[in-house]
Amino acid sequence: SAVISQKPSRDICQRGTSLTIQCQVDSQVTMMFWYRQQPGQSLTLIATANQGSEATYESGFVIDKFPISRPNLTFSTLTVSNMSPEDSSIYLCSVEARDSSYGYTFGSGTRLTVV
Amino acid sequence: GQQLNQSPQSMFIQEGEDVSMNCTSSSIFNTWLWYKQDPGEGPVLLIALYKAGELTSNGRLTAQFGITRKDSFLNISASIPSDVGIYFCAGLGSNYKLTFGKGTLLTVNP
Repeated sequence: SAVISQKPSRDICQRGTSLTIQCQVDSQVTMMFWYRQQPGQSLTLIATANQGSEATYESGFVIDKFPISRPNLTFSTLTVSNMSPEDSSIYLCSVEARDSSYGYTFGSGTRLTVV
Repeated sequence: GQQLNQSPQSMFIQEGEDVSMNCTSSSIFNTWLWYKQDPGEGPVLLIALYKAGELTSNGRLTAQFGITRKDSFLNISASIPSDVGIYFCAGLGSNYKLTFGKGTLLTVNP
């Protein structure tokens, strides 16, 4: 299956600042997704990162707060803008698996703490 | 939107015991997936189910895709300490998006 490298693995940020998270995949994939996992909670889809067009956001998430780039089929970034303590979460990228399982593979996540 | 009800929320068992957890949905899914998440890591895919009624095993793990396509269960036999973690079910809809259950926290006492 695809191998995902996500950076940074963790960060502590001041409120009002922005953090850009990178997701690099070892093979070309059509679909890349960004999720948020709040402390002790399940995963919630933020958006689908589309190559060559704007990301598609889920209800409750907006581009101004979570701008996403997808410059090619192996890379995407998620920016968490104007951060507040409520943005403290784990952010994960995910891609379709390329093996016969057809499951979705996840990166190891970025643990963000906003102080 | 689609919602998944996963139960139980947590389980405390002795090593060697069998475990069962399940998910139900208000909507139909084309694929059911079961993931395990260890602390500080992303979820890792355990089993994927593609057809209603399908029963699939992966070592000590067995999962089934319900006939109605609205439910799935995961069984773990003869649990060991490294089975500790959070188990998530996820349904894949026709829009290629995953909907996750709230997770089952499994604790195994040696």
